[in-house]
Amino acid sequence: EIVLTQSPGTLSLSPGEGAALSCRASQSISSNCLAWYQQKPGQAPRLLIYDASSRAPGISDRFSGTGSGTDFTLTVSRLEPEDFAVYYCQQYGTSAVIFGGGTKVEIK
Amino acid sequence: EVQLLESGGGLVQPGGSLRLSCVGSGFPFSYYAMTWVRQAPGRGLEWVAGISASGANTLYADSVKGRFTISRDNSNNTLFLHMNSLRVEDTAVFYCAKVADWLQFFFPFWGQGALVTVSS
Repeated sequence: EIVLTQSPGTLSLSPGEGAALSCRASQSISSNCLAWYQQKPGQAPRLLIYDASSRAPGISDRFSGTGSGTDFTLTVSRLEPEDFAVYYCQQYGTSAVIFGGGTKVEIK
Repeated sequence: EVQLLESGGGLVQPGGSLRLSCVGSGFPFSYYAMTWVRQAPGRGLEWVAGISASGANTLYADSVKGRFTISRDNSNNTLFLHMNSLRVEDTAVFYCAKVADWLQFFFPFWGQGALVTVSS
């Protein structure tokens, strides 16, 4: 079973700064079947990125996904107050859907 | 507008059973695979189960296999999760979500969740 390791666990940044969130897989993810979600307290997750780099409809172009194989990155440029949240990666290249443990982006 | 509304959560004793429902609207429900994802208090997301558009195919996480059953009633746009032999560690918010495609198992839309508490 694929294990997804997200780092760092917590990222403390100021509004206007950029963020780079890592998601590393224990084995190669086929066809770049990796998604990113944002979750705010008390809310359901929201899809940001799918297929490693495709932005979901309605998602700001400040969010971008890159990577392939085992190493993936979600980049958030020019953090806005509403971007402070927890971010999860998810692989769907196998029938065992797996989520990473999450990265919390908090206001410094 | 896509909407998913879960119901059926509550307090149940260890070893007990519960059935969650999720009604979908704003999209052709019978055309899409659906899934359940849970989140224990203060923890991350854990995928639970998925079902194809017709209901003919199902998938389960190892942690619930043999105890939970996912099903659907396309005539009423409703997804179900039947949970038996519940354990304290099953305590979580359970989200239903629309799947992009059976071969593209990511989740563009989520419900707001139903809380299941397993405690004596």
